[in-house]
Amino acid sequence: QKEVEQNSGPLSVPEGAIASLNCTYSDRGSQSFFWYRQYSGKSPELIMSIYSNGDKEDGRFTAQLNKASQYVSLLIRDSQPSDSATYLCAVCFGNEKLTFGTGTRLTIIP
Amino acid sequence: GAVVSQHPSRVICKSGTSVKIECRSLDFQATTMFWYRQFPKQSLMLMATSNEGSKATYEQGVEKDKFLINHASLTLSTLTVTSAHPEDSSFYICSALWRGGRTDTQYFGPGTRLTVL
Repeated sequence: QKEVEQNSGPLSVPEGAIASLNCTYSDRGSQSFFWYRQYSGKSPELIMSIYSNGDKEDGRFTAQLNKASQYVSLLIRDSQPSDSATYLCAVCFGNEKLTFGTGTRLTIIP
Repeated sequence: GAVVSQHPSRVICKSGTSVKIECRSLDFQATTMFWYRQFPKQSLMLMATSNEGSKATYEQGVEKDKFLINHASLTLSTLTVTSAHPEDSSFYICSALWRGGRTDTQYFGPGTRLTVL
């Protein structure tokens, strides 16, 4: 069974610090990886996608992928209160479908 | 990013009625769309994959006769909850698959909150 694991949190980070969110997945053959942000009562919003080993940066966000360790992470620099949300890790195992983790609830403390 | 709309955003209905939810990709053609359901404090659960011009593919445990999906055009998929009951109350979210570059990406609609009385 293909699985995606995330620490449910809550993860509390002071404003201005770096928030680090982690995700592991079960299938070595996984093709692509996504981070979505979901505010309470809203639908998921795409933040980053990554498919090659290494780092990918977009503004304050950096996604890191290590296929050998089956590990993907999201770093948020200079955390802002508006970053407080649930962050969903999603993995495409090659059939167009996404398998979601349960999400990590992040709270940025002013 | 790509824009996906859903209508209605919120619906309240009586038990036994049917409810139709529309999902539209506004700035790209989507041959594949997905329908999810999310209960409070839980993650998204994939219900079905909607393919333009063909029958939807349902996930295990999802009743195809209860959740009717029609993908009649490259920009529109509809989900009809037939004979809705209180246990069908949930947050229904669609996504449209954007095919491009090295990664096919799902973009989500804003969701429809269904309350069945």
